[in-house]
Amino acid sequence: EADIYQTPRYLVIGTGKKITLECSQTMGHDKMYWYQQDPGMELHLIHYSYGVNSTEKGDLSSESTVSRIRTEHFPLTLESARPSHTSQYLCASSEAWGWGEQYFGPGTRLTVT
Amino acid sequence: KQEVTQIPAALSVPEGENLVLNCSFTDSAIYNLQWFRQDPGKGLTSLLLIQSSQREQTSGRLNASLDKSSGRSTLYIAASQPGDSATYLCAVPFFYGQNFVFGPGTRLSVLP
Repeated sequence: EADIYQTPRYLVIGTGKKITLECSQTMGHDKMYWYQQDPGMELHLIHYSYGVNSTEKGDLSSESTVSRIRTEHFPLTLESARPSHTSQYLCASSEAWGWGEQYFGPGTRLTVT
Repeated sequence: KQEVTQIPAALSVPEGENLVLNCSFTDSAIYNLQWFRQDPGKGLTSLLLIQSSQREQTSGRLNASLDKSSGRSTLYIAASQPGDSATYLCAVPFFYGQNFVFGPGTRLSVLP
């Protein structure tokens, strides 16, 4: 059983608000990821981290930012939400690059009105 | 460019049928291959992980095979059930990449 958590599960918020999506894992994994996925569409990697104090941008450009101050915690922040940010955001982690299995959280469905 | 493709894009079968989902990748230099299931609006659930040195893995009614030289993996589902209806994705970490590359998925519907 994978222990990776995301909060909130659902969020409806107005344009211009600042939001933080939380992601935590209790497996001690070094590598963590954020993916964005529109309904019925493919996954797109927006951020990843190799460990504490490491953050990298993914394949899809995103206006969000991330931080990695603790191994278990990898929050994603949008400074000013816009309707174009409406999507599902999925957090994942893996034990090590390459040979490690990837585990996903349940996702946060964000709607910006 | 390292790519992962999946065919078919969608599949609809009657309950009880055995079925095969396909995943192809462009570079045989991979660490492993992972199959996931995704229900609508949910996260991904890991089904099977095949290391590059393995040929197949089994879990219950699921069997996944890996042929690195041909760049292919198949997911075999035996005696399908309506509860198997979901999107199935494969993901590959390539040696010379930095992250997992996902296929676009196969959307499976099992009709009662």
